[in-house]
Amino acid sequence: KQEVTQIPAALSVPEGENLVLNCSFTDSAIYNLQWFRQDPGKGLTSLLLIQSSQREQTSGRLNASLDKSSGRSTLYIAASQPGDSATYLCAVDTGGFKTIFGAGTRLFVKA
Amino acid sequence: DVKVTQSSRYLVKRTGEKVFLECVQDMDHENMFWYRQDPGLGLRLIYFSYDVKMKEKGDIPEGYSVSREKKERFSLILESASTNQTSMYLCASGVGSYEQYFGPGTRLTVT
Repeated sequence: KQEVTQIPAALSVPEGENLVLNCSFTDSAIYNLQWFRQDPGKGLTSLLLIQSSQREQTSGRLNASLDKSSGRSTLYIAASQPGDSATYLCAVDTGGFKTIFGAGTRLFVKA
Repeated sequence: DVKVTQSSRYLVKRTGEKVFLECVQDMDHENMFWYRQDPGLGLRLIYFSYDVKMKEKGDIPEGYSVSREKKERFSLILESASTNQTSMYLCASGVGSYEQYFGPGTRLTVT
């Protein structure tokens, strides 16, 4: 059974710092991996989608990598800003409409 | 922009009540999903639907049922609400299993 783990559960950093969020999954047979952002009391917004054949994706200050063989993905946020404060969730698509989500990393960027 | 709306942001119900949560999407998506989100557990799939009147169980369907009579509307029903169903409920719609657009969520409290 696929399991997705995100470490750390919470993170507090000063503004301007570069940071890395980690996601691990137990079964490498995935179709793709996605990173989402969730603001308090709101739904999820997709940030980056990495297909199983890809190694990384970039969008602005965000870079996500995927290493299927080791069951790991990282989300790199450059020059963090207070507006980046949110919960970041990692999710893997295992096919058959089954997307498995991690519990998320709650990020707080201090001004 | 894709818009997914949920009937209520906050809901308080009593144990044993029948509860309806409604979700409407405006993008003619074939697939719709209901998740619940609990602290430390991430999102867990309750049910999904890939067409009108079609539904499939997710990982935690017990105590829930769904209805999809029209393409744009997907309802989650708690036949007899219990306190362990207190949670955040998120609806999503999409074309494939990974392209999911989320609603703002309904925070349900069962007392």
